[in-house]
Amino acid sequence: DAGVTQSPTHLIKTRGQQVTLRCSPKSGHDTVSWYQQALGQGPQFIFQYYEEEERQRGNFPDRFSGHQFPNYSSELNVNALLLGDSALYLCASSLVNREQFFGPGTRLTVL
Amino acid sequence: QKEVEQNSGPLSVPEGAIASLNCTYSDRGSQSFFWYRQYSGKSPELIMSIYSNGDKEDGRFTAQLNKASQYVSLLIRDSQPSDSATYLCAVRLDTGRRALTFGSGTRLQVQP
Repeated sequence: DAGVTQSPTHLIKTRGQQVTLRCSPKSGHDTVSWYQQALGQGPQFIFQYYEEEERQRGNFPDRFSGHQFPNYSSELNVNALLLGDSALYLCASSLVNREQFFGPGTRLTVL
Repeated sequence: QKEVEQNSGPLSVPEGAIASLNCTYSDRGSQSFFWYRQYSGKSPELIMSIYSNGDKEDGRFTAQLNKASQYVSLLIRDSQPSDSATYLCAVRLDTGRRALTFGSGTRLQVQP
């Protein structure tokens, strides 16, 4: 039973560029949540997708956008990258309102 | 005031001892509580969930919840060096809000 997968593992971008991160949820899960984790901090909620719609959004600018596909996989897009966007981006899968399980994360570095 | 507060540590305990990790939260509407373990350079791993006041035991781990005091704790019995990690406390409202709100984590060091 495959767990949550994310790609790519690492990514280096420059300021102003755009990035797309991908997530495949655990088999049987239908909900994907995205979090940003800065060094030494707990994960911060970006948004959650269920039934291909954004159901809840955290305190992130609209440079952060996402999508969920019919197979429940999801993408996180970040436009106009800033140095402060450098972080570990985590995808968590779940059934709605149940325990969330994290993928391995994507380490984004913005230069 | 932070929504979820944890002592950043490090909390240092000898091998075989009980490690006690604490977490307080500010929103009385919080209904679900979780403990995640995060090794350096890795993603968080769910180790315990608790929804009702009292204790919940799973192997060497015991989660304790006191909603009146807005306090949740994690006890690790017979601590092992492999338990050395950052422990993240997370809470969820469960009334229309599905997001987890995390504390900054407590770093635990188990000394052999």
